[in-house]
Amino acid sequence: DAGVIQSPRHEVTEMGQEVTLRCKPISGHDYLFWYRQTMMRGLELLIYFNNNVPIDDSGMPEDRFSAKMPNASFSTLKIQPSEPRDSAVYFCASKSGSHTGELFFGEGSRLTVL
Amino acid sequence: AQSVTQPDIHITVSEGASLELRCNYSYGATPYLFWYVQSPGQGLQLLLKYFSGDTLVQGIKGFEAEFKRSQSSFNLRKPSVHWSDAAEYFCAVGAPDDYKLSFGAGTTVTVRA
Repeated sequence: DAGVIQSPRHEVTEMGQEVTLRCKPISGHDYLFWYRQTMMRGLELLIYFNNNVPIDDSGMPEDRFSAKMPNASFSTLKIQPSEPRDSAVYFCASKSGSHTGELFFGEGSRLTVL
Repeated sequence: AQSVTQPDIHITVSEGASLELRCNYSYGATPYLFWYVQSPGQGLQLLLKYFSGDTLVQGIKGFEAEFKRSQSSFNLRKPSVHWSDAAEYFCAVGAPDDYKLSFGAGTTVTVRA
């Protein structure tokens, strides 16, 4: 299996622009998580899905952030409009439905907002 | 809600020396505990996990961790460190009734020759 695939790996954009990050989870995994990593705040859970349905979005910073999972093999995290404080590494992770199952992470998307 | 504290931000260790990384958790019942490693520019990789049973858990790359309920700790150890162990290490806690994980701030390990 190819693992969790994220794109783009690096994104540099200007303040006010729309940013879309993409994730393909591991086939068969029914949980998908979006995390954000910054020096100041560490790893923060933004949102997670179960069977394509958002379960908990309490970590989404504000209305500028939105996430979708239109099918079992694809999810997006969108920031519109982007701000410099959104600069971070965004990780997607997936796991199977077992509580004891391992959480598999993608390699992350490094976002820089100028 | 569960939380994790990693008291050490940065540790430097000589190659071949032993390593211990500290992790303290806060949770009312028996938690699910994990250690992940992150190499530069990479995602997080699971080293080991604890759910129940034997409190000494063996993981990949020669790592082990011990769950101590009385101290609310889950410290990670390795008897002899290799240069390739230089990375950032994260402790995480989950609840049996919740699929979310809460991560600690991480400990950066530097290995000197």
